[in-house]
Amino acid sequence: QQQVKQSPQSLIVQKGGIPIINCAYENTAFDYFPWYQQFPGKGPALLIAIRPDVSEKKEGRFTISFNKSAKQFSLHIMDSQPGDSATYFCAARWETSGSRLTFGEGTQLTVNP
Amino acid sequence: DAGVIQSPRHEVTEMGQEVTLRCKPISGHNSLFWYRQTMMRGLELLIYFNNNVPIDDSGMPEDRFSAKMPNASFSTLKIQPSEPRDSAVYFCASSMGLLPGELFFGEGSRLTVL
Repeated sequence: QQQVKQSPQSLIVQKGGIPIINCAYENTAFDYFPWYQQFPGKGPALLIAIRPDVSEKKEGRFTISFNKSAKQFSLHIMDSQPGDSATYFCAARWETSGSRLTFGEGTQLTVNP
Repeated sequence: DAGVIQSPRHEVTEMGQEVTLRCKPISGHNSLFWYRQTMMRGLELLIYFNNNVPIDDSGMPEDRFSAKMPNASFSTLKIQPSEPRDSAVYFCASSMGLLPGELFFGEGSRLTVL
């Protein structure tokens, strides 16, 4: 019940394309949904986050869409660039658990020039 | 700020040896997390501390793993004895707790147990 399911496992797009990464959860006690970006040899870093009372959040080229009734959320990257090639993790925080996060399995994104 | 500092960055050891991984969190952060990353299991939370006190160690695989946080600026994760299946990248992360879910990760310690 504390799991977050992420898909696809890997994704290849051309420069300028719009990759979409999806996540689903079961537990309604999750109250905060961040996305992390990880480059090879580095630790994950917070990219963008959303709370369940909001259906969409944009920061630059990155957008989170949130569907509370379906318990799903997704990351869209507009006008993707080769520098966006990285592994992306969705995550969820159990309410009252401080900063403790449960991570999805990760999506390895490759943006070809 | 230097960020979360982990050492060593790489460790190669033989099965049965003791391994100690170290972490210095960002100054002022009151929560510290140890995660393990593998291809098969992704990012797994092993243990986390709040104000130097272990809050949840349910992710620690077995008694061979132990973690300590003697003060606000230092934590260790120890594996004794190590086994080949412990090979992974171990991340330390810290958080101020003001913005839930904003973890700051170190660059990780890549452990290989032969």
